[in-house]
Amino acid sequence: GDSVTQMEGPVTLSEEAFLTINCTYTATGYPSLFWYVQYPGEGLQLLLKATKADDKGSNKGFEATYRKETTSFHLEKGSVQVSDSAVYFCALETGRRALTFGSGTRLQVQP
Amino acid sequence: GAGVSQSPRYKVAKRGQDVALRCDPISGHVSLFWYQQALGQGPEFLTYFQNEAQLDKSGLPSDRFFAERPEGSVSTLKIQRTQQEDSAVYLCASSATSGGPQETQYFGPGTRLLVL
Repeated sequence: GDSVTQMEGPVTLSEEAFLTINCTYTATGYPSLFWYVQYPGEGLQLLLKATKADDKGSNKGFEATYRKETTSFHLEKGSVQVSDSAVYFCALETGRRALTFGSGTRLQVQP
Repeated sequence: GAGVSQSPRYKVAKRGQDVALRCDPISGHVSLFWYQQALGQGPEFLTYFQNEAQLDKSGLPSDRFFAERPEGSVSTLKIQRTQQEDSAVYLCASSATSGGPQETQYFGPGTRLLVL
């Protein structure tokens, strides 16, 4: 079945550091890929998405590129802020509408 | 309202009790989803509605779980004879049409269920 694997957290960084959160997937067909973010006390929000191979999703300084050859969708940001502290979820969708999520990666950014 | 709302936000139930969780999607949204999120895990799909039709219930873990959306707007997830393993956050999401991956799912804040 479909699955998403994310790097375990927590990831602790200093402000302005470079961020990478790894995500790989297993899926039948050609999935669409997503990153969702959950800020403390808030609901899940879509951060970015990519619907076909080599697409790059971007939002709020975050980027991720759909790499079909490595079945990956790693999340990157060049300079994190304290306000980026949250739990990040990688997810995929294969046409049945339901999202399949990874287990989440907690990011803690220290001033 | 501006977003997806869920009630109650917290529910404590004794083992064996029945519970009902409510979801109010964004007005006019055609699709509605329920997910279950165990502590420290990602959400897992339970069921999907398109208007009032339940098109996919493959994620419901047992026949104790039942969901409905009789008028194509508000949805209720009912859990009968709750068990401790049902303790989780139950998330509702809606999307504007029935259109697939191009469409964003908007999530509610969740209902945290604790079964004692």
